[in-house]
Amino acid sequence: GAVVSQHPSWVICKSGTSVKIECRSLDFQATTMFWYRQFPKKSLMLMATSNEGSKATYEQGVEKDKFLINHASLTLSTLTVTSAHPEDSSFYICSARDLFRDYEQYFGPGTRLTVT
Amino acid sequence: AQSVAQPEDQVNVAEGNPLTVKCTYSVSGNPYLFWYVQYPNRGLQFLLKYITGDNLVKGSYGFEAEFNKSQTSFHLKKPSALVSDSALYFCAVRDQGDDMRFGAGTRLTVKP
Repeated sequence: GAVVSQHPSWVICKSGTSVKIECRSLDFQATTMFWYRQFPKKSLMLMATSNEGSKATYEQGVEKDKFLINHASLTLSTLTVTSAHPEDSSFYICSARDLFRDYEQYFGPGTRLTVT
Repeated sequence: AQSVAQPEDQVNVAEGNPLTVKCTYSVSGNPYLFWYVQYPNRGLQFLLKYITGDNLVKGSYGFEAEFNKSQTSFHLKKPSALVSDSALYFCAVRDQGDDMRFGAGTRLTVKP
């Protein structure tokens, strides 16, 4: 089956630094990738939708200058948390939609970000 | 815009008993409906989906769900619960061509 990977699986960084999270579709092409944020014991909150080669569409309330999303190819999207603060600590999950099977959406294993 | 509701934060069942995790949805068109399971500190694992066709959908690990258009529901069921089924379950809905939206999640606890 289709696999989505995320790297790193967990990261600890200091306040004020930037962190990049990669999301890759390993065996399929994804025109659209999604980034979600999950707080402890809470649901997934859609942060942004990215389409290959174009700018990401951010959900209301998500700072696009803080959460930079790049979708440079059909198999790679990156989320960069800039000038991270402790309140950015969360579980970030990416998801990719299969180009040829539009109704299928696959999820990565998530990245645990802790900002100290 | 589509939305999905999971009315129960927590469901407790005894091992061997049937389980039901409820989900209702709202979409403007024909829905794509999904169930996912999440174990601690892990991503989402796909259980099953309804796109079209038979209203009863069978998925992974013995789970099934029934699409009920008149009640706009898509409840997750399993005839006999296992302790290892204890996890967080998410219902999700997509309107065709739109984003996937998740319910708040239901924590299932199966007691031995």
